[in-house]
Amino acid sequence: QLQLQESGPTLVKPSETLSLTCTVSGDSISTTSFYWGWIRQSPGKGLEWIGSLYYRGSASHFGGGSYYNPSLQSRVTISVDTSRNQFSLKVTSVSATDTAVYSCVRHSGDTLSNPFEVWGQGTMVTVSS
Amino acid sequence: SYVLTQPPSLSVAPGQTATITCGGDNLGKKRVHWYQQKAGQAPVLVIYYDFDRPSGIPERFSGSNSGNTATLTISSVDAGDEADFYCQVWDTSRDHPVFGGGTKLTVL
Repeated sequence: QLQLQESGPTLVKPSETLSLTCTVSGDSISTTSFYWGWIRQSPGKGLEWIGSLYYRGSASHFGGGSYYNPSLQSRVTISVDTSRNQFSLKVTSVSATDTAVYSCVRHSGDTLSNPFEVWGQGTMVTVSS
Repeated sequence: SYVLTQPPSLSVAPGQTATITCGGDNLGKKRVHWYQQKAGQAPVLVIYYDFDRPSGIPERFSGSNSGNTATLTISSVDAGDEADFYCQVWDTSRDHPVFGGGTKLTVL
């Protein structure tokens, strides 16, 4: 059974970089054809897609395998470590508005527009000095 | 970007039918997905591509989409259905997914 588990610091100072990792069990990022991504939910607010990536060897999709929410694109990087079956999120220059529950997800297929079929439990990250 | 509008809350008596709406411009031309998020839990995909159900989702959950409104219908609701429900589509103009603001379903 596929499981996703987020990990990383729960407190980040303003202007610093938020870094989270998603560990995948029950499936292999490098041998299966799915998009993997991140979604966040600010306290009391709705869901916001951060970005997703697709890994299939050296194949490239949408300009290199990663795709981001235009509102966050300048500060976000999603990368993959196939040796550990993990993918990661970095958000630079964070502020209080980046305080949220961050969840890693797997899309239902190999198209970016596929729905989010599997979700991690989510991890709360607070931006505060 | 594309905007999806949901009523903030809906209250339904046990055994009745809950109808949760999601509005958007020409929404019927898009494919809508629905997620259920119970308190303290991760969201779960309950309807995809307007009306398909993932395995394990009860037949009590159904979806439709036409005109400017998509609808998630839950028949014979019980206390276990209390949750926040979110609709989601792919915004073709900006090439990214967007979510509705969510509807909190309360079973009286």
